[in-house]
Amino acid sequence: ELKVEQNPLFLSMQEGKNYTIYCNYSTTSDRLYWYRQDPGKSLESLFVLLSNGAVKQEGRLMASLDTKARLSTLHITAAVHDLSATYFCAGRGSEKLVFGKGTKLTVNP
Amino acid sequence: DTGVSQDPRHKITKRGQNVTFRCDPISEHNRLYWYRQTLGQGPEFLTYFQNEAQLEKSRLLSDRFSAERPKGSFSTLEIQRTEQGDSAMYLCASSKPPGTSAIQYFGAGTRLSVL
Repeated sequence: ELKVEQNPLFLSMQEGKNYTIYCNYSTTSDRLYWYRQDPGKSLESLFVLLSNGAVKQEGRLMASLDTKARLSTLHITAAVHDLSATYFCAGRGSEKLVFGKGTKLTVNP
Repeated sequence: DTGVSQDPRHKITKRGQNVTFRCDPISEHNRLYWYRQTLGQGPEFLTYFQNEAQLEKSRLLSDRFSAERPKGSFSTLEIQRTEQGDSAMYLCASSKPPGTSAIQYFGAGTRLSVL
């Protein structure tokens, strides 16, 4: 059964700094997703990673996938306050998504 | 708005009552999913449909829960004899058939509070 773990669960960072969120998963997953959730809102799709070595970037966020290590990372470059949110990674187990507990990111001025 | 639509957004009910939620997926999506999210946790899978067929149910989905998608379009999730432990955000998502990136697009959710 697929299990997904994220760390850290809470991240407080200053504007302009860089940081990485890690997502480990327990068994084979043919794709890895990253979502963003703002308080009281639903989940917004950020990235889908389909193969080993895949890297995708959008603005200050970059996601990568290492299927051999069963690890995905979400790297934040020069953080700004607007990036404050909870970020979830999810693997695909059969047809359903299995989510981590999320990383609550707070970017302070 | 052509996104996933859920109704109602909030539902407050007393323990023991029945509740029903509705989800309207993105129109060309044939797959529809239900998830439950509690505070501080990621969404947990409940069930999914391909067209009108319910193909998988989580063991989280006790016999008090039932979901339908009668014409392969909108779906309903009913909870009978609600319990306080049912309090959560119920999220619906939809996606295109497999063979694509199969991104699941989520609705805004229905927040259920059982008193």
